[in-house]
Amino acid sequence: EVQLVESGGGLVQPGGSLRLSCAASGFTFTRFWMTWVRQAPGKGLEWVANIKEDGSDQNYVDSVKGRFTISRDNAKNSVFLQMDSLRVEDAAVYYCTREIWGPEYWGQGTLVSVSS
Amino acid sequence: QSALTQPRSVSGSPGQSVTISCTGSSSDVGGYNHVSWYQQHPGKAPKLVISDVSKRPSGVPDRLSGSKSGNTASLTISGLQAEDEADYYCCSYAGSLYVFGTGTKVTVL
Repeated sequence: EVQLVESGGGLVQPGGSLRLSCAASGFTFTRFWMTWVRQAPGKGLEWVANIKEDGSDQNYVDSVKGRFTISRDNAKNSVFLQMDSLRVEDAAVYYCTREIWGPEYWGQGTLVSVSS
Repeated sequence: QSALTQPRSVSGSPGQSVTISCTGSSSDVGGYNHVSWYQQHPGKAPKLVISDVSKRPSGVPDRLSGSKSGNTASLTISGLQAEDEADYYCCSYAGSLYVFGTGTKVTVL
């Protein structure tokens, strides 16, 4: 059974940093791109970033370029999202997903709040 | 990277059919056959119900079907049931990244 478990969310002040983690199990991690998707409270889904199977390629939505960094540790079946210079508008539930031409399996999400 | 356009809401009585549209451009929906649809119940994570325009993952009832014409993709729910009441989102590959639709609330009357 595919499982994706996010962690690392919390409350941070504007301008601060947070590192999200996603532990994957139940599938061969090295065969899949991985993706982060976010959903602000009461709002729709927004694709944030993805990373290639071997970590050699990453893509980002324009609004987070230069502030967020996606990475993975294939030895630990984990994917990460380093979020720096956080803004109020980054507040959301962040979902980790396995990707096959679009998000396929989803974790339960981790909540990031940005407030002073 | 503009969001794909979906109707804000659609509704139907049990047993009826409803169709949700998802309109993009030649840079996303019209340019690739990689459109997926997600169902999200309140407080829950989204669930994939259609991939690659019209493929149903295992366990998804055949009452849900997907199609595409030009820059618009569609999700049809036939034989509407109470458990179909949820938010639905489309998502399209857009060349190295993905873009989601604005979301549609389906109400079963």
